[in-house]
Amino acid sequence: DTAVSQTPKYLVTQMGNDKSIKCEQNLGHDTMYWYKQDSKKFLKIMFSYNNKELIINETVPNRFSPKSPDKAHLNLHINSLELGDSAVYFCASSHNRDVQFFGPGTRLTVL
Amino acid sequence: AQSVTQPDIHITVSEGASLELRCNYSYGATPYLFWYVQSPGQGLQLLLKYFSGDTLVQGIKGFEAEFKRSQSSFNLRKPSVHWSDAAEYFCAVVGDKLVFGAGTILRVKS
Repeated sequence: DTAVSQTPKYLVTQMGNDKSIKCEQNLGHDTMYWYKQDSKKFLKIMFSYNNKELIINETVPNRFSPKSPDKAHLNLHINSLELGDSAVYFCASSHNRDVQFFGPGTRLTVL
Repeated sequence: AQSVTQPDIHITVSEGASLELRCNYSYGATPYLFWYVQSPGQGLQLLLKYFSGDTLVQGIKGFEAEFKRSQSSFNLRKPSVHWSDAAEYFCAVVGDKLVFGAGTILRVKS
């Protein structure tokens, strides 16, 4: 049983396009996150939602918009994609400050 | 704000040798500390965590870590490394959010 799943696993697109990444967790957690891992493997939090409410919003461009339709889902929509958006995006979930469980990642390549 | 430093970018050890990966953190209150491992092309897997109590914590795959408040450290150790341990290792601390170190790439030579 997959705990945290993300789709798609790979995403290749042109500059200027709009794309979405979906995330679902079946762990019953109340908090979900999006992280970006750059080419140097540095992991940085982008957003965090607790019970569908945004609680962390790092200095991320407005082109990135998370959406949480329910506690088990946190999707990431990206408008007007730029070359610098190329990275691996990880979804994670946790119960409050407890251990975060990570999805397998989505490798986004912007051409 | 919390921060994590992993001073070693790369470490190479021989198979069967012992391993210690260093991690120093900065956080004003009692930290929650974690070690995660990432194999190439994979997500992050939790190795172990420290919340409170015994300062020596045991994790999966034979790893352990020791929390030393006086040194603000949470070093990861393994007595005998296997070739399958080759991966990137991340130390992390959670305060208002989870903050990762830059990672240490472990190479295992046979």
